[in-house]
Amino acid sequence: ETGVTQTPRHLVMGMTNKKSLKCEQHLGHNAMYWYKQSAKKPLELMFVYSLEERVENNSVPSRFSPECPNSSHLFLHLHTLQPEDSALYLCASSQEWEMNSPLHFGNGTRLTVT
Amino acid sequence: DAKTTQPPSMDCAEGRAANLPCNHSTISGNEYVYWYRQIHSQGPQYIIHGLKNNETNEMASLIITEDRKSSTLILPHATLRDTAVYYCIVRVETSYGKLTFGQGTILTVHP
Repeated sequence: ETGVTQTPRHLVMGMTNKKSLKCEQHLGHNAMYWYKQSAKKPLELMFVYSLEERVENNSVPSRFSPECPNSSHLFLHLHTLQPEDSALYLCASSQEWEMNSPLHFGNGTRLTVT
Repeated sequence: DAKTTQPPSMDCAEGRAANLPCNHSTISGNEYVYWYRQIHSQGPQYIIHGLKNNETNEMASLIITEDRKSSTLILPHATLRDTAVYYCIVRVETSYGKLTFGQGTILTVHP
């Protein structure tokens, strides 16, 4: 149990579908992150939310739309994805303004786009 | 953030110490060394971090050289469950904990 819960664990969607990934953290943290891990590539940072404000967007295509309604929840809305978007999507949280606060990761959503 | 270099893979016998090296020769004075690991089909797990002093916790020890250009993560008594990809990451303390991951070291612990 990492304190960061991601649902669903697995998702298969067609290119015309719309789906959402959900992340919930139970650690009292105030910063949340989306990372993407494609096969045989390092984890790539997608988005950072700090105090519910988006503070970083790493040139992610608009077909990925994040939402952070409060400090405990983070969503990634998906629409018209491409097969190359198939990957493990990881959510993480940390305590901003606390020096040396490590990131705590969920176990990810394995997304397959057909 | 400074770049790190790790061997792509290492083996270790169960019960023995696993020593995972990391080279970070361009590290700056205000950059910390962090170690994470990722077991298959799970998210990365924080292990330990340090600035210049050696650190130890219930999972591992971190040895940082005096010039801070390299470090070693030590798992004192490796078990089969320690088989994972180990990431050495160097980062500046910022207002939020953004991490830049490399390829890491695949550690395989053998019976």
